[in-house]
Amino acid sequence: EAGVAQSPRYKIIEKRQSVAFWCNPISGHATLYWYQQILGQGPKLLIQFQNNGVVDDSQLPKDRFSAERLKGVDSTLKIQPAKLEDSAVYLCASSPPATNEKLFFGSGTQLSVL
Amino acid sequence: SQKIEQNSEALNIQEGKTATLTCNYTNYSPAYLQWYRQDPGRGPVFLLLIRENEKEKRKERLKVTFDTTLKQSLFHITASQPADSATYLCALGDQTGANNLFFGTGTRLTVIP
Repeated sequence: EAGVAQSPRYKIIEKRQSVAFWCNPISGHATLYWYQQILGQGPKLLIQFQNNGVVDDSQLPKDRFSAERLKGVDSTLKIQPAKLEDSAVYLCASSPPATNEKLFFGSGTQLSVL
Repeated sequence: SQKIEQNSEALNIQEGKTATLTCNYTNYSPAYLQWYRQDPGRGPVFLLLIRENEKEKRKERLKVTFDTTLKQSLFHITASQPADSATYLCALGDQTGANNLFFGTGTRLTVIP
């Protein structure tokens, strides 16, 4: 079974630039999450999708972050414009239908904002 | 707001010993608690889930306890091996519609040969 795919693996940008991350969840997983993990901290939820609808985006900084999950499969997370404090690993996770309890994570995109 | 504390940033133990990691939480009543393993440059990998009405769960060399009175979970790795070296994250979950997980900061375990 293929895991959660994310790209790119690394991204370096300057502050005020834009960046986008892509995630392809495990086939059949209805729920998709984006987490932000700052160095030395645990992952923090940014947004959760159920199919192509948003379940929770209460911790997403909406003035600069946006995410979409068209057709209920792939998802894209965008930051525009980036700030220094956005430097982190952005993890995508998915969970199977009927239960959201067990999350399967991708390897993440490591973002450095200079 | 909820707060999750894992006992220490780093724990070093000798190979063959039992590693015990602690997860304490406040201002929260989770329906379940999970433990994940995270290796450098990788995403977390699910290990075990224990529900609020369960006291203990085992899986091979892993054991998790959950004390809702103390608001604490203990995670044990018996007969530890150098391959067990990683960061271990605890995560609390509820059963509201979102089923969101709140993660601790993790404990970095090093098993010394």
